[in-house]
Amino acid sequence: QKEVEQNSGPLSVPEGAIASLNCTYSDRGSQSFFWYRQYSGKSPELIMSIYSNGDKEDGRFTAQLNKASQYVSLLIRDSQPSDSATYLCAVNIGGGSQGNLIFGKGTKLSVKP
Amino acid sequence: GAGVSQSPSNKVTEKGKDVELRCDPISGHTALYWYRQSLGQGLEFLIYFQGNSAPDKSGLPSDRFSAERTGGSVSTLTIQRTQQEDSAVYLCASSLVSLTGELFFGEGSRLTVL
Repeated sequence: QKEVEQNSGPLSVPEGAIASLNCTYSDRGSQSFFWYRQYSGKSPELIMSIYSNGDKEDGRFTAQLNKASQYVSLLIRDSQPSDSATYLCAVNIGGGSQGNLIFGKGTKLSVKP
Repeated sequence: GAGVSQSPSNKVTEKGKDVELRCDPISGHTALYWYRQSLGQGLEFLIYFQGNSAPDKSGLPSDRFSAERTGGSVSTLTIQRTQQEDSAVYLCASSLVSLTGELFFGEGSRLTVL
């Protein structure tokens, strides 16, 4: 059973701090990784994708991938109350099942003013 | 349209009735996914369509659930003889390139079975 694990939270950080969201996956052959943000009552939206080891930065967001450790993370710098949402990690597992994509259950982030 | 369109946005039905949920993907997107999300829970995969290939139905929870995609575009998810445990938000997503993981989600159809 291929799995994607996330701490459900809630993760609470003060405004302006760095929020660190973590995700581990079981399939060593996975090649691409995604972070989706889901506001309460809304649908998920893709915010970051990462395909190779290392860091990928986009504005205040940095995705980090370590394939050897089967670990992907999302850092949010200068966290804002508007960042409060559930963050879903998704992993492309290959092989064709489930459209190749496995979602974690998400980490709820709360940014306190 | 500019995004994935789902209808109805809300549906309240009585136990035992059949319901149909519709998804119109982004034009040109060949891959289409249906997920279910119960309150406070993660995404539950239901079914995946890619072009003219046979769909991956491995996530459908029972034979009361079925889905079709006509002409490689619009998809309909049908739930027969609805049960209270079917109450959830049903999310449709499409992708330009199959099997990549870059999905665009619709706003969902919230189903409530009384």
